[in-house]
Amino acid sequence: SQQGEEDPQALSIQEGENATMNCSYKTSINNLQWYRQNSGRGLVHLILIRSNEREKHSGRLRVTLDTSKKSSSLLITASRAADTASYFCATDAHNAGNMLTFGGGTRLMVKP
Amino acid sequence: DGGITQSPKYLFRKEGQNVTLSCEQNLNHDAMYWYRQDPGQGLRLIYYSQIVNDFQKGDIAEGYSVSREKKESFPLTVTSAQKNPTAFYLCASSPRTALGDTQYFGPGTRLTVL
Repeated sequence: SQQGEEDPQALSIQEGENATMNCSYKTSINNLQWYRQNSGRGLVHLILIRSNEREKHSGRLRVTLDTSKKSSSLLITASRAADTASYFCATDAHNAGNMLTFGGGTRLMVKP
Repeated sequence: DGGITQSPKYLFRKEGQNVTLSCEQNLNHDAMYWYRQDPGQGLRLIYYSQIVNDFQKGDIAEGYSVSREKKESFPLTVTSAQKNPTAFYLCASSPRTALGDTQYFGPGTRLTVL
Protein backbone atom coordinates (compact mmCIF):
# COMPACT_ATOMS: atom_id res chain seq x y z
CA SER A 1 0.00 0.00 0.00
CA GLN A 2 1.16 3.54 -0.60
CA GLN A 3 2.60 5.49 2.28
CA GLY A 4 1.23 8.82 1.10
CA GLU A 5 -2.30 9.44 -0.11
CA GLU A 6 -3.32 12.74 -1.66
CA ASP A 7 -6.68 14.38 -1.34
CA PRO A 8 -8.52 15.40 -3.43
CA GLN A 9 -7.70 13.17 -6.40
CA ALA A 10 -8.70 15.97 -8.76
CA LEU A 11 -9.20 19.71 -8.31
CA SER A 12 -10.47 22.31 -10.77
CA ILE A 13 -10.22 26.03 -10.01
CA GLN A 14 -10.20 29.38 -11.77
CA GLU A 15 -7.02 31.32 -12.37
CA GLY A 16 -6.23 33.56 -9.42
CA GLU A 17 -7.80 31.26 -6.84
CA ASN A 18 -5.80 29.33 -4.28
CA ALA A 19 -5.36 25.55 -4.55
CA THR A 20 -4.94 23.32 -1.52
CA MET A 21 -3.89 19.69 -1.70
CA ASN A 22 -3.52 17.35 1.22
CA CYS A 23 -1.35 14.32 1.85
CA SER A 24 -1.79 11.75 4.59
CA TYR A 25 0.71 9.08 5.53
CA LYS A 26 0.84 6.13 7.88
CA THR A 27 4.22 5.81 9.60
CA SER A 28 6.86 8.09 11.08
CA ILE A 29 8.90 9.99 8.53
CA ASN A 30 12.23 11.79 8.22
CA ASN A 31 10.95 14.24 5.64
CA LEU A 32 8.13 14.82 3.18
CA GLN A 33 8.54 16.17 -0.33
CA TRP A 34 6.17 17.56 -2.94
CA TYR A 35 6.70 17.03 -6.66
CA ARG A 36 4.94 18.31 -9.74
CA GLN A 37 4.37 16.40 -12.98
CA ASN A 38 3.16 17.93 -16.20
CA SER A 39 1.24 15.51 -18.41
CA GLY A 40 3.52 12.90 -19.95
CA ARG A 41 6.65 14.33 -18.37
CA GLY A 42 9.02 13.58 -15.52
CA LEU A 43 8.55 14.82 -11.98
CA VAL A 44 10.02 18.08 -10.75
CA HIS A 45 10.89 18.61 -7.10
CA LEU A 46 9.04 21.54 -5.51
CA ILE A 47 9.80 21.56 -1.81
CA LEU A 48 11.06 19.38 1.06
CA ILE A 49 9.92 19.73 4.65
CA ARG A 50 11.66 17.89 7.47
CA SER A 51 9.86 16.17 10.32
CA ASN A 52 10.93 18.88 12.79
CA GLU A 53 9.54 21.68 10.62
CA ARG A 54 5.92 22.81 10.62
CA GLU A 55 5.75 25.19 7.68
CA LYS A 56 7.83 26.11 4.69
CA HIS A 57 7.45 28.64 1.88
CA SER A 58 8.82 28.83 -1.63
CA GLY A 59 7.45 31.57 -3.87
CA ARG A 60 3.70 30.96 -4.22
CA LEU A 61 3.97 27.59 -2.49
CA ARG A 62 3.28 27.01 1.18
CA VAL A 63 3.70 23.58 2.73
CA THR A 64 2.62 22.58 6.21
CA LEU A 65 3.39 19.41 8.11
CA ASP A 66 1.51 18.04 11.10
CA THR A 67 3.33 14.97 12.35
CA SER A 68 0.73 14.34 15.09
CA LYS A 69 -1.93 13.93 12.40
CA LYS A 70 0.50 12.42 9.88
CA SER A 71 -0.57 14.90 7.25
CA SER A 72 0.78 17.65 5.03
CA SER A 73 -0.79 20.27 2.84
CA LEU A 74 0.43 22.10 -0.24
CA LEU A 75 -1.07 25.52 -0.91
CA ILE A 76 -0.56 27.25 -4.24
CA THR A 77 -1.60 30.88 -4.02
CA ALA A 78 -2.83 33.05 -6.90
CA SER A 79 -2.90 30.06 -9.26
CA ARG A 80 -2.07 30.37 -12.93
CA ALA A 81 -3.06 28.25 -15.92
CA ALA A 82 0.58 27.09 -16.04
CA ASP A 83 0.11 25.46 -12.61
CA THR A 84 -2.08 22.82 -14.27
CA ALA A 85 -0.33 19.54 -13.46
CA SER A 86 -0.38 16.56 -11.12
CA TYR A 87 1.10 17.04 -7.68
CA PHE A 88 2.57 14.19 -5.64
CA CYS A 89 3.73 13.93 -2.09
CA ALA A 90 6.60 11.58 -1.30
CA THR A 91 7.59 10.40 2.13
CA ASP A 92 10.90 9.19 3.46
CA ALA A 93 9.70 6.78 6.12
CA HIS A 94 11.68 5.44 9.06
CA ASN A 95 10.59 1.86 8.47
CA ALA A 96 11.00 1.82 4.69
CA GLY A 97 14.79 1.88 4.54
CA ASN A 98 14.57 5.62 3.86
CA MET A 99 13.19 5.02 0.37
CA LEU A 100 10.82 7.61 -1.08
CA THR A 101 7.24 6.39 -1.34
CA PHE A 102 4.92 8.35 -3.60
CA GLY A 103 1.21 8.93 -3.22
CA GLY A 104 -1.33 8.69 -6.03
CA GLY A 105 -1.31 12.41 -6.77
CA THR A 106 -3.75 15.29 -7.10
CA ARG A 107 -4.59 16.37 -10.64
CA LEU A 108 -4.97 20.15 -10.62
CA MET A 109 -6.61 22.03 -13.46
CA VAL A 110 -6.45 25.82 -13.44
CA LYS A 111 -8.89 27.38 -15.88
CA PRO A 112 -7.90 30.70 -17.48
CA ASP B 1 24.24 21.15 -19.53
CA GLY B 2 23.62 18.82 -16.60
CA GLY B 3 20.68 16.52 -16.40
CA ILE B 4 19.18 13.09 -16.63
CA THR B 5 18.11 11.67 -19.98
CA GLN B 6 16.00 8.73 -20.97
CA SER B 7 15.64 7.09 -24.35
CA PRO B 8 13.66 6.35 -26.30
CA LYS B 9 10.67 8.57 -25.50
CA TYR B 10 8.26 6.04 -26.98
CA LEU B 11 8.85 2.31 -27.30
CA PHE B 12 6.70 -0.39 -28.81
CA ARG B 13 7.26 -4.03 -28.06
CA LYS B 14 5.72 -7.23 -29.26
CA GLU B 15 4.69 -9.76 -26.69
CA GLY B 16 7.52 -12.10 -25.78
CA GLN B 17 10.29 -9.61 -26.53
CA ASN B 18 12.75 -8.13 -24.08
CA VAL B 19 13.37 -4.39 -24.35
CA THR B 20 15.95 -2.16 -22.68
CA LEU B 21 15.26 1.40 -21.56
CA SER B 22 18.19 3.75 -21.30
CA CYS B 23 18.87 6.16 -18.42
CA GLU B 24 21.94 8.40 -18.30
CA GLN B 25 22.88 11.20 -15.89
CA ASN B 26 25.77 13.65 -15.84
CA LEU B 27 24.96 15.05 -12.40
CA ASN B 28 27.60 12.90 -10.69
CA HIS B 29 24.86 11.37 -8.55
CA ASP B 30 25.55 8.17 -6.66
CA ALA B 31 21.99 6.84 -6.42
CA MET B 32 19.69 5.99 -9.32
CA TYR B 33 16.13 4.66 -9.43
CA TRP B 34 13.57 3.20 -11.80
CA TYR B 35 9.85 3.75 -11.30
CA ARG B 36 6.77 2.57 -13.09
CA GLN B 37 3.70 4.81 -13.43
CA ASP B 38 0.33 3.56 -14.62
CA PRO B 39 -2.35 5.99 -15.91
CA GLY B 40 -3.70 8.25 -13.19
CA GLN B 41 -1.52 6.58 -10.57
CA GLY B 42 1.51 7.36 -8.49
CA LEU B 43 5.02 5.96 -8.88
CA ARG B 44 6.06 2.48 -7.86
CA LEU B 45 9.71 1.60 -7.33
CA ILE B 46 11.14 -1.15 -9.54
CA TYR B 47 14.89 -1.12 -8.74
CA TYR B 48 17.39 1.22 -7.20
CA SER B 49 21.16 1.47 -7.04
CA GLN B 50 23.22 3.32 -4.47
CA ILE B 51 26.62 2.65 -5.98
CA VAL B 52 28.24 1.21 -9.08
CA ASN B 53 27.95 -2.58 -9.42
CA ASP B 54 25.26 -2.77 -6.75
CA PHE B 55 21.47 -2.59 -6.94
CA GLN B 56 18.41 -3.69 -4.96
CA LYS B 57 14.88 -4.71 -5.80
CA GLY B 58 12.06 -2.29 -5.16
CA ASP B 59 8.39 -3.07 -4.66
CA ILE B 60 7.67 -4.45 -8.15
CA ALA B 61 10.93 -5.95 -9.45
CA GLU B 62 9.46 -9.14 -10.92
CA GLY B 63 9.89 -9.25 -14.71
CA TYR B 64 12.53 -6.51 -14.73
CA SER B 65 16.33 -6.48 -14.58
CA VAL B 66 18.95 -3.74 -14.26
CA SER B 67 22.70 -3.21 -14.33
CA ARG B 68 24.95 -0.48 -12.94
CA GLU B 69 28.32 -0.86 -14.61
CA LYS B 70 28.96 2.88 -14.75
CA LYS B 71 28.01 5.66 -12.38
CA GLU B 72 26.30 7.57 -15.19
CA SER B 73 24.16 4.75 -16.54
CA PHE B 74 21.34 2.59 -15.12
CA PRO B 75 19.55 0.70 -17.93
CA LEU B 76 16.32 -1.18 -17.27
CA THR B 77 15.38 -4.33 -19.16
CA VAL B 78 11.72 -5.26 -19.33
CA THR B 79 11.65 -8.99 -19.87
CA SER B 80 9.00 -11.20 -21.38
CA ALA B 81 8.25 -12.39 -17.83
CA GLN B 82 6.64 -9.02 -17.05
CA LYS B 83 2.94 -9.77 -17.51
CA ASN B 84 1.66 -6.24 -18.04
CA PRO B 85 4.56 -4.02 -19.13
CA THR B 86 2.58 -1.24 -20.82
CA ALA B 87 3.29 1.82 -18.65
CA PHE B 88 5.26 5.03 -18.29
CA TYR B 89 8.77 4.42 -16.94
CA LEU B 90 10.65 7.09 -15.03
CA CYS B 91 14.31 7.12 -14.08
CA ALA B 92 15.62 9.32 -11.29
CA SER B 93 18.87 10.07 -9.51
CA SER B 94 19.85 11.63 -6.21
CA PRO B 95 23.16 13.08 -5.05
CA ARG B 96 23.88 10.99 -2.00
CA THR B 97 23.56 7.42 -0.95
CA ALA B 98 21.40 8.52 1.98
CA LEU B 99 18.11 7.58 0.42
CA GLY B 100 15.18 9.91 0.86
CA ASP B 101 17.06 12.86 -0.64
CA THR B 102 15.53 14.99 -3.37
CA GLN B 103 15.31 13.04 -6.59
CA TYR B 104 15.86 14.39 -10.08
CA PHE B 105 13.77 12.80 -12.80
CA GLY B 106 14.26 12.11 -16.47
CA PRO B 107 11.51 12.82 -19.02
CA GLY B 108 10.28 9.23 -19.07
CA THR B 109 9.80 6.43 -21.59
CA ARG B 110 6.32 5.30 -22.57
CA LEU B 111 6.32 1.58 -23.31
CA THR B 112 3.46 -0.01 -25.20
CA VAL B 113 3.11 -3.73 -25.78
CA LEU B 114 1.39 -4.54 -29.05
